[in-house]
Amino acid sequence: DTAVSQTPKYLVTQMGNDKSIKCEQNLGHDTMYWYKQDSKKFLKIMFSYNNKELIINETVPNRFSPKSPDKAHLNLHINSLELGDSAVYFCASSKTRTDTQYFGPGTRLTVL
Amino acid sequence: SQQGEEDPQALSIQEGENATMNCSYKTSINNLQWYRQNSGRGLVHLILIRSNEREKHSGRLRVTLDTSKKSSSLLITASRAADTASYFCATLNTGTASKLTFGTGTRLQVTL
Repeated sequence: DTAVSQTPKYLVTQMGNDKSIKCEQNLGHDTMYWYKQDSKKFLKIMFSYNNKELIINETVPNRFSPKSPDKAHLNLHINSLELGDSAVYFCASSKTRTDTQYFGPGTRLTVL
Repeated sequence: SQQGEEDPQALSIQEGENATMNCSYKTSINNLQWYRQNSGRGLVHLILIRSNEREKHSGRLRVTLDTSKKSSSLLITASRAADTASYFCATLNTGTASKLTFGTGTRLQVTL
């Protein structure tokens, strides 16, 4: 009965490849997010969806494309992976836009 | 630049002692949230304090907020080895609902 789940937990891939990370929440929340945590542990928001609608898109390269097929899912697709994309990516959700955010366990992406 | 700056960057104490972490921010906020992250794991929400609140408690945790000084503190009383983790403050700014901006984090080490 995990609240926010992500798959895969680890992802190792070559430069130039395309990969996807999936996120699901079973909390009935309206808002979902993607964050990136770099090697210095700095967390920065990438995207936010509210009821399947994109509401935040922080200067993220357009190689990153979020997709929300329904309120419970927010997937992240990354094209043409680069070395600098290596990081831990966290999905989160909240009941409303201003409520507590609940985080998934993270996906550690390593680009070789 | 990032919203939250945390102080100290690292803190080492013995079990049973209290730990205090401080967070400063720059703009008006809707609320401020504290999170814990164990090494290699996701973020766990600790406390949310709204801009019109001055203090909140949760178990051994006490959070204060001074909006005039744009600062918050997290006090962990009677610390335990299991409290060893990184602690982050995050601010939800007014006018940019749902965008949490994280601080740099404080790495807490509690030794036996």
